[in-house]
Amino acid sequence: ELKVEQNPLFLSMQEGKNYTIYCNYSTTSDRLYWYRQDPGKSLESLFVLLSNGAVKQEGRLMASLDTKARLSTLHITAAVHDLSATYFCAVDRPGGYQKVTFGIGTKLQVIP
Amino acid sequence: DGGITQSPKYLFRKEGQNVTLSCEQNLNHDAMYWYRQDPGQGLRLIYYSQIVNDFQKGDIAEGYSVSREKKESFPLTVTSAQKNPTAFYLCASKAATRARDTGELFFGEGSRLTVL
Repeated sequence: ELKVEQNPLFLSMQEGKNYTIYCNYSTTSDRLYWYRQDPGKSLESLFVLLSNGAVKQEGRLMASLDTKARLSTLHITAAVHDLSATYFCAVDRPGGYQKVTFGIGTKLQVIP
Repeated sequence: DGGITQSPKYLFRKEGQNVTLSCEQNLNHDAMYWYRQDPGQGLRLIYYSQIVNDFQKGDIAEGYSVSREKKESFPLTVTSAQKNPTAFYLCASKAATRARDTGELFFGEGSRLTVL
């Protein structure tokens, strides 16, 4: 059974600081996704990482994937309040493109 | 604009009643999904459908039913058999084949169901 673990589950940080959210998964998969959810809202796609070594950046967020270590990171640079949200990573299940398993999510709070 | 529409946004149900949540998409996606979200538990898959007239149980299908009569529509019925239905329900879709898309899910705005 594929398990996806995120840490930390809650992160409070000051504006201007850097931090990294980690996503570990338990079985081989070659696709990893990062989503953002604002309170009471739906999820929106941030990044799709398709291969080992993939790195994608959008604004102050950068995601990377190491399939050998089964690890993805979401790095936040010089955080701003607008980045406050819950971030989920998700991984395609082995043998099934149609289903993904989500992590529990990391709730990020950026304090002015 | 293309997207996924869920309705209603808020729904209250008395115990013992069935309720149906609507999900419509105009993204021309083949696959559609229903997820349930509870605080602190992330998203859990209820049902999914890859093509019209076919659907599969997800991880927590008990107490739920779905239909897929049209490509655009994937309604979810929460039956009285679902013991703890109060939750946030999210519908999503994506292209069915890897060759057609990167695989990311597109989500509706969600339906919040409360059992009174």
